[in-house]
Amino acid sequence: GAVVSQHPSRVICKSGTSVKIECRSLDFQATTMFWYRQFPKQSLMLMATSNEGSKATYEQGVEKDKFLINHASLTLSTLTVTSAHPEDSSFYICSARSLAQGDEQFFGPGTRLTVL
Amino acid sequence: QKEVEQNSGPLSVPEGAIASLNCTYSDRGSQSFFWYRQYSGKSPELIMSIYSNGDQEDGRFTAQLNKASQYVSLLIRDSQPSDSATYLCAVNRRGYSTLTFGKGTMLLVSP
Repeated sequence: GAVVSQHPSRVICKSGTSVKIECRSLDFQATTMFWYRQFPKQSLMLMATSNEGSKATYEQGVEKDKFLINHASLTLSTLTVTSAHPEDSSFYICSARSLAQGDEQFFGPGTRLTVL
Repeated sequence: QKEVEQNSGPLSVPEGAIASLNCTYSDRGSQSFFWYRQYSGKSPELIMSIYSNGDQEDGRFTAQLNKASQYVSLLIRDSQPSDSATYLCAVNRRGYSTLTFGKGTMLLVSP
């Protein structure tokens, strides 16, 4: 149990385009989902926390107008990187948490974004 | 003071040995503790959770928690080359829904 999927696993896009990444909890209802970013050889950086049906809470320094997060259901959250630029190239990882499963977070496989 | 501290390593152990990974945390109100394994280029995978003082064992893995010393450790018995990865310690602080991660310890198990 506790499987989280992400789609796409890899995306290459041109500068200025927008990219949507989906995160799904497959076998549990995720009351909270989290979005992280990780640059090569660096630690995880939390970008935002989203609860189903409410606005996401962004970490300091993360532009909410650039990284749009929607958590429309208990099994789906999306991250849209708007007007992507090369500096947005990174590994984006979502995780999901269910109150029924305590404080554990289960991670999706990640999406590697490359902006040309 | 960093909230969750880990030695970055690398920690090198021979195959079959016990690997001992350590983590300290600063918030005494922390209530849940986790170890994640992250292979290069992959996302983190939860391998152990521990909530109360003492040991928690799962197969070759043992998590140890000492709240008085604000210390969490992970022991990997009979280490295998496939255990070579970065191990992340994560702590849930009381009142927060988020996890605070350490920067991770790289473990290298040589055949």
